[in-house]
Amino acid sequence: NAGVTQTPKFRVLKTGQSMTLLCAQDMNHEYMYWYRQDPGMGLRLIHYSVGEGTTAKGEVPDGYNVSRLKKQNFLLGLESAAPSQTSVYFCASSASGVSYGAFFGQGTRLTVV
Amino acid sequence: AQSVTQLDSHVSVSEGTPVLLRCNYSSSYSPSLFWYVQHPNKGLQLLLKYTSAATLVKGINGFEAEFKKSETSFHLTKPSAHMSDAAEYFCVVSYGYQKVTFGTGTKLQVIP
Repeated sequence: NAGVTQTPKFRVLKTGQSMTLLCAQDMNHEYMYWYRQDPGMGLRLIHYSVGEGTTAKGEVPDGYNVSRLKKQNFLLGLESAAPSQTSVYFCASSASGVSYGAFFGQGTRLTVV
Repeated sequence: AQSVTQLDSHVSVSEGTPVLLRCNYSSSYSPSLFWYVQHPNKGLQLLLKYTSAATLVKGINGFEAEFKKSETSFHLTKPSAHMSDAAEYFCVVSYGYQKVTFGTGTKLQVIP
């Protein structure tokens, strides 16, 4: 089925470890986004990309890096994980920008201990 | 500043009864508004969106929402709840290029 696929679905990290979350979409969308979801706070934008080779900071970018080397993939990196980064991470993609609606992946539940 | 407020964190209804999930927004611009649904362990799915056309918007699975500018509201309704509607619902306001604000979510419980 077409859509947005996130890898992995679950992960436990120790403080200070690094990891990369992968988001892949097969809808040829230009726009891709990484959000984090925390209880009682809705979704907050970490970083986004408006096309291959481009990235931009969102609302809560500190502690994260991203890359968009291929149009279909958007990677989110944590260089040195902290307990405050325990969250559920969602990737989204859109043909016309998130302001027009977006498709979301199933989420990655990350726990930093 | 743009914001969105979902007035209830939890709503419980009996199967077959109407659903009302409330959302109020503030925006300096003419906003676009969305409702998304998130089933357990799933991603967010777009239910419906308002983009300054008809004020009554119909979405998937029998849901609809009405944009009321005078009340700055965009409440989500469904005439008859089904067990499969149990999920978390997010109201979202768009206020410019790449800028959206998500509400904090309303968890809908459907009682058999």
